[in-house]
Formats: sequence, C-alpha cells, structure tokens
Amino acid sequence: EVQLVDSGGGLVQPGGSLRLSCEASGFPFSAYWMSWVRQAPGKGLEWVANIQKDGSEIYYVDSVRGRFTVSRDNAKNSLYLQMNSLRAEDTAVYYCARAPLSGSRPGAFDFWGQGTTVTVSS
Amino acid sequence: DIQMTQSPSTLSASVGDRVTITCRASQSINPWLAWYQQKPGKAPKFLIYKASYLETGVSSRFSGSGSGAEFTLTISSLQPDDFATYYCQQYSSYPWTFGQGTKVEIK
Repeated sequence: EVQLVDSGGGLVQPGGSLRLSCEASGFPFSAYWMSWVRQAPGKGLEWVANIQKDGSEIYYVDSVRGRFTVSRDNAKNSLYLQMNSLRAEDTAVYYCARAPLSGSRPGAFDFWGQGTTVTVSS
Repeated sequence: DIQMTQSPSTLSASVGDRVTITCRASQSINPWLAWYQQKPGKAPKFLIYKASYLETGVSSRFSGSGSGAEFTLTISSLQPDDFATYYCQQYSSYPWTFGQGTKVEIK
C-alpha cells in the first residue's frame, strides 16, 4: 500500500525556519518525481515544488524560490522541504504528493500525504 | 503563468443530479489537466488525468472531457459521498497551477 507521511510542521515566528519531511513507503520511491503542495486556511491548493527522481531537476513556484529548498534521500525513502525566511503568507497545510511519469514528464498527483500544518506568527 | 478558472465556484445540487464543472485555462494546456476531490480536513483525492482518463478505482460516474483550454468534469448521478470541493490542475508548464475550486453542496 502506498503511504506518504508528512511531518515537521509547527508554529514559527516570521523570519524563522522549519524543515518538513515526508516518509514514503509501499512503492519504489527513487522511481518517482515528488512534489510539495500547500493550502492556506480556507483557500485553494497551491503547487510549491517538484523534484526529479534523482534530484537533478527541481522547480519552484516564484513565491518560495530562494527561501525554500526541496531535497530527497532515496536511501531513506524521504522527501524534505527546508523553509527559511518564513512569512505569514506561508501559513498553510503542506502536503507531499507523488507525481508518476506521464511519458517522459511528471504527471498529476496520484497519492498525497495527510498534510502537516505550518503556522507563521509572532 | 497559466491561470485556471473554474465555474461555478459553488454548486447546489441534489442526490441523483447530473453535475458539470468547467475549467478554463488562460492558454492551451492540452492534455495536461487533472481533477481532484477534496473533503474538509482531508488531502485531495486524484480523480482524472490527461483530461479524460479515470484513475484506477474511481467511480465511473465521474468523467472528464475537453481539449485545448476548456475542460469539464461531469458527475453523472450525484451521490452523498460526492459532496465536496473539486479542483482542476494544469501540469503543462511551470508553475503548475490549480483552479480556485468548486464546492458542490447539498440543495
């Protein structure tokens, strides 16, 4: 059974840092692109970042580029999101998601973690 | 960036109704369009990929259609479990973007 377990969320002051983790099981983690998607309270979904199977390609939404870093450890079946210089507008539930290949490109998100809540407030 | 616009934002319907949600992209994204269902406090559930392909295990009362920049999600006969918020998403080009969501409510 495919499982993605998100963790690492919490309350952090503006300007602070937080590292999210996503532990994967039930599938060959190293064969899949992985992603982070967030959802601010009462709002819609926002794609945050994609990372290629071996980490050689990475993409970010403009609003987090330069502040957030996505990485993965295929030996540990884990995905990470290092979030620095956090702002109030980064407050959201953060989900990791699996993006299976569609041809040679990453496809839509077929499995999601349960989400971890990040609150940026003083 | 490609903007995704869903209509309506809210839809009131009854069990057994046929429901259609529209998603328009600001440019052609064919066929890189997905649909998700989300219930309060839960992660989204994957429904449809490449505009019209039903994910394994998803009820056949859900269907997707469209091409270019205009797409639809249809629920053929609304069931109690279908009351939720639905999102479209383009994965044609970065940044990947979602529609604002359509909430399907009980009439």
